Amino acid sequence: TQLLEQSPQFLSIQEGENLTVYCNSSSVFSSLQWYRQEPGEGPVLLVTVVTGGEVKKLKRLTFQFGDARKDSSLHITAAQPGDTGLYLCAGATGNQFYFGTGTSLTVIP
Amino acid sequence: KAGVTQTPRYLIKTRGQQVTLSCSPISGHRSVSWYQQTPGQGLQFLFEYFSETQRNKGNFPGRFSGRQFSNSRSEMNVSTLELGDSALYLCASSLLPGLSNTEAFFGQGTRLTVV
Repeated sequence: TQLLEQSPQFLSIQEGENLTVYCNSSSVFSSLQWYRQEPGEGPVLLVTVVTGGEVKKLKRLTFQFGDARKDSSLHITAAQPGDTGLYLCAGATGNQFYFGTGTSLTVIP
Repeated sequence: KAGVTQTPRYLIKTRGQQVTLSCSPISGHRSVSWYQQTPGQGLQFLFEYFSETQRNKGNFPGRFSGRQFSNSRSEMNVSTLELGDSALYLCASSLLPGLSNTEAFFGQGTRLTVV
C-alpha cells in the first residue's frame, strides 16, 4: 500500500485538451511537492504547496492543496506535447519522505 | 553551475555481489538524499545525509548503506545483491536538510541491473 496514491495512473490526451491529476492520502502532510520526470532524467520540482487550501499557478499548470492537507491536484490547461512526462507528488510525514505512485501523461500532437 | 552528477550511469552486477554508487551534489549543497525507482514500487526514499551525518532512513534492509564525505559527495553501497535490487537509483542534492522544505535537484540516476 502506497501512502500517496495518484490517479489516473496513465493518461493519453490530444494537444489542447485539459486534464487533472489527483494525489490522495489518508495522512496529513505539512507540505506536498509536485515533480515531473522525463525519460532518462531525474524528477524536476514544479511546485511546493504548504497551506491547506492553497492554490498555485505556474503558467498553464494549477496546483491545489486540500483543506485538510491530505490531498492535492494538478490541473493542466491546453496541454502541449512538451507536457509529456511522469508527474509525481511527494511529501514528508514523520521522518520519511514519500513519492506518489505517479501519473504518466502523453500529449499527442 | 554543474548539476548533480551520478556515476556510473549504467551498471550490471551478478547476484551476491556488492556495488557502490557515487553522487556529487551541486557545489555548495550539503544535503544529499538517495532514492530507488522501480516500475512496481515507484520512487522510494532510501536515506538522507547532511554534513556527513545520516538524518533520515527509509524502510530498506541493512544491505543498503551510505555515507557522505566532507566535500558533500555521497556514496551508497548495496551488498549481497538480489535480482529485486535492479532499479534506477537517484540522488538529489539541496542546500538545506529536510526533504519537504527545500528544493531538491536530482541527478540522472544510475541504472543497476542484477543478473
